[in-house]
Amino acid sequence: DAKTTQPPSMDCAEGRAANLPCNHSTISGNEYVYWYRQIHSQGPQYIIHGLKNNETNEMASLIITEDRKSSTLILPHATLRDTAVYYCIVRAFGGATNKLIFGTGTLLAVQP
Amino acid sequence: EAGVVQSPRYKIIEKKQPVAFWCNPISGHNTLYWYLQNLGQGPELLIRYENEEAVDDSQLPKDRFSAERLKGVDSTLKIQPAELGDSAVYLCASSLGASGTYEQYFGPGTRLTVT
Repeated sequence: DAKTTQPPSMDCAEGRAANLPCNHSTISGNEYVYWYRQIHSQGPQYIIHGLKNNETNEMASLIITEDRKSSTLILPHATLRDTAVYYCIVRAFGGATNKLIFGTGTLLAVQP
Repeated sequence: EAGVVQSPRYKIIEKKQPVAFWCNPISGHNTLYWYLQNLGQGPELLIRYENEEAVDDSQLPKDRFSAERLKGVDSTLKIQPAELGDSAVYLCASSLGASGTYEQYFGPGTRLTVT
């Protein structure tokens, strides 16, 4: 599985969009980009995943560059409850093993 | 739908004592995972079960750690004896199946402190 690089921390004002970057320059053609988040004292929570097209769900949007070497998770209107560690993970989709390899993630602090 | 249940949520023990963690996955989820999370780090996989079979335990320190999932539902992770370095959060997760098409759902974890 490809490795990812994320900034260790970011701040965002409540109500503003939070844009969390992730670099995955060694991603393979069959690997998807996944995002999870972990709120304090809870287990990780799935947010969204994508291959090459931009994706949107009720939680967030995922923008993947055309060369697929980087992506951005967008929380359109951040709230205090979005304060969490956000993990960007790349792995094969539909592979034989459902293995998640977490890095250290980005601690997003939403400020009032 | 109930999520992944873990107990206890917190445990404090002295070193060299045994400890056990319990996990009840989401109903119908055949695949169960145990992760270890050290402070400031992301979770790391310890063991993965397909029903009652451990299919990936390469990261489980087998000298002191053991796990079981006897009826393919609940699972127990045990440490005996515990060491100071075992202080961490132990997370359980489950998914419908093993392949990468299935999302993993995590429990809240058990925070272990070894003194």
